[in-house]
Amino acid sequence: KAGVTQTPRYLIKTRGQQVTLSCSPISGHRSVSWYQQTPGQGLQFLFEYFSETQRNKGNFPGRFSGRQFSNSRSEMNVSTLELGDSALYLCASSGDHGYTFGSGTRLTVV
Amino acid sequence: QKEVEQNSGPLSVPEGAIASLNCTYSDRGSQSFFWYRQYSGKSPELIMSIYSNGDKEDGRFTAQLNKASQYVSLLIRDSQPSDSATYLCASPPGNTGKLIFGQGTTLQVKP
Repeated sequence: KAGVTQTPRYLIKTRGQQVTLSCSPISGHRSVSWYQQTPGQGLQFLFEYFSETQRNKGNFPGRFSGRQFSNSRSEMNVSTLELGDSALYLCASSGDHGYTFGSGTRLTVV
Repeated sequence: QKEVEQNSGPLSVPEGAIASLNCTYSDRGSQSFFWYRQYSGKSPELIMSIYSNGDKEDGRFTAQLNKASQYVSLLIRDSQPSDSATYLCASPPGNTGKLIFGQGTTLQVKP
């Protein structure tokens, strides 16, 4: 059974640009959640999608957005990038046995 | 008060010893709890989940849940150097679809 696939693995962007990250959940999983991990703040919840609807949202500015498609794949977008957005972005797919994480996307904003 | 709290450590134990990792949570409505292991530069890996009071064992790992005390723990028996990692406790408050993580405890197993 394939795991959670995140692309790309690494990204370098310039301040002010925007970025789109992709996440394909485990087959059959309909819930996808996104997290930001930084050394100072740890793992913080961004948002969760279930059957194309955003069910939960964390305390992040509106520059952070996401969506989910009918095949459960999800994307998150960050607009007007700031240096502080440099982080590991993780998505998790949830099923009967908990939340499984992808390998993450390491975003560096310069 | 943070929703999920862990001692950041580092917790250092000798090889072969029992490592005990602790976590407290504030939301009495939480029903499920997860322990993740994260190696440096890698993503979190689910190692244990627990949903009811008591102990749950899986190989060298035992998770313990005490809902009255709002306390979750992870015991690692016969600790190995390969167990050296950050261990994250997480729970979805009120059974929402979002995971709230503790800050993680860094475990060092010394040969």
